[in-house]
Amino acid sequence: DAGVIQSPRHEVTEMGQEVTLRCKPISGHDYLFWYRQTMMRGLELLIYFNNNVPIDDSGMPEDRFSAKMPNASFSTLKIQPSEPRDSAVYFCASSFDAGLLPSSYEQYFGPGTRLTVT
Amino acid sequence: AQSVAQPEDQVNVAEGNPLTVKCTYSVSGNPYLFWYVQYPNRGLQFLLKYITGDNLVKGSYGFEAEFNKSQTSFHLKKPSALVSDSALYFCAVRGGYNNNDMRFGAGTRLTVKP
Repeated sequence: DAGVIQSPRHEVTEMGQEVTLRCKPISGHDYLFWYRQTMMRGLELLIYFNNNVPIDDSGMPEDRFSAKMPNASFSTLKIQPSEPRDSAVYFCASSFDAGLLPSSYEQYFGPGTRLTVT
Repeated sequence: AQSVAQPEDQVNVAEGNPLTVKCTYSVSGNPYLFWYVQYPNRGLQFLLKYITGDNLVKGSYGFEAEFNKSQTSFHLKKPSALVSDSALYFCAVRGGYNNNDMRFGAGTRLTVKP
């Protein structure tokens, strides 16, 4: 498997523009997570899905952020409108829960999208 | 809610010496504990986990960690550090099988000097 795939790897945009980040989880994984990483706040969980259904979005900073998972192999995180304080690295991760099987429970991370809002 | 503390922002060791990166946790119920490593401009990579069973778990690249329930700790160790081990290390916890809310520590930057 190619692992978790994220696109784009880098995004530079101007304040007020819409930004869409994309993620393809590992095939067979039933959980998908979106994180944001900054020097000041570390790694923050924004939202996670189970079987394409959002389970906990309490980490989404405000209404400007939205996430969807239309099917098991694709998710988006959208920021509209973007602001300079949204500049961060955004990670997508996926996992599956299956008893004591190897590779169960740990999250596998994508390479991240580095977002810069000017 | 569960939480993790990594008391050291930075750990410096000489190559060939043993290393320890500390982690303590707080969780109700049985903890699922994880260590991840992050190299520059990369995503987090899974190193090892404790779910149940033997308190000493072995993972990738010669790393191991010991689950200590009485001290609520899960310290990461390696007998002989390599310069290539220099990276950012994260401890994480989730509160068992039905709780997929993983909480990460702030990270510890490990520097191994030749």
